[in-house]
Amino acid sequence: RKEVEQDPGPFNVPEGATVAFNCTYSNSASQSFFWYRQDCRKEPKLLMSVYSSGNEDGRFTAQLNRASQYISLLIRDSKLSDSATYLCGLNAGNNRKLIWGLGTSLAVNP
Amino acid sequence: DAGITQSPRHKVTETGTPVTLRCHQTENHRYMYWYRQDPGHGLRLIHYSYGVKDTDKGEVSDGYSVSRSKTEDFLLTLESATSSQTSVYFCAITDSGGKKETQYFGPGTRLLVL
Repeated sequence: RKEVEQDPGPFNVPEGATVAFNCTYSNSASQSFFWYRQDCRKEPKLLMSVYSSGNEDGRFTAQLNRASQYISLLIRDSKLSDSATYLCGLNAGNNRKLIWGLGTSLAVNP
Repeated sequence: DAGITQSPRHKVTETGTPVTLRCHQTENHRYMYWYRQDPGHGLRLIHYSYGVKDTDKGEVSDGYSVSRSKTEDFLLTLESATSSQTSVYFCAITDSGGKKETQYFGPGTRLLVL
């Protein structure tokens, strides 16, 4: 099993739709979890950290399920500008290194 | 904006040529990282640094070396470039405050080895 797995997609959704992505991880010692957004030919940019209790930032909601070892990202009321690749990153233990999923591609269509 | 710049932004070189990529940051962050990103492989850590002259290998360090003689600069060198090193290279820093593992990326360098 890979350390971090994401469904590559692509997810094609209409504007206004709700879409959810999951990211599963194998290292139960992971403590820090992140969602990043990457536009084509650009660098990854932090979308949001994922907290144990779940957290929300506008239309975006992140959840952590430690028992099943996955994090999720929910996007409500999708916009055309949400089209991007979404990467999950997490630390592999008690260090400052992150490991990354391959990303999930989202296309929001008019 | 984490104040990270990378140079050059694009480079074409020939097999066997040495290449050095530069990452520069302006906010005195202690931790710096070099990644490569390739289709089907995602972001893979090449080397990282936890202070001036303190560096360590990542998962794909073969064929690469790094140096950090100043806090603000982290250099990645391909001693003898190969076609398999054609990639997009990202530098990153770890935010010194807040959530300490949060990483911020530079704009990337696109390297083509012919």
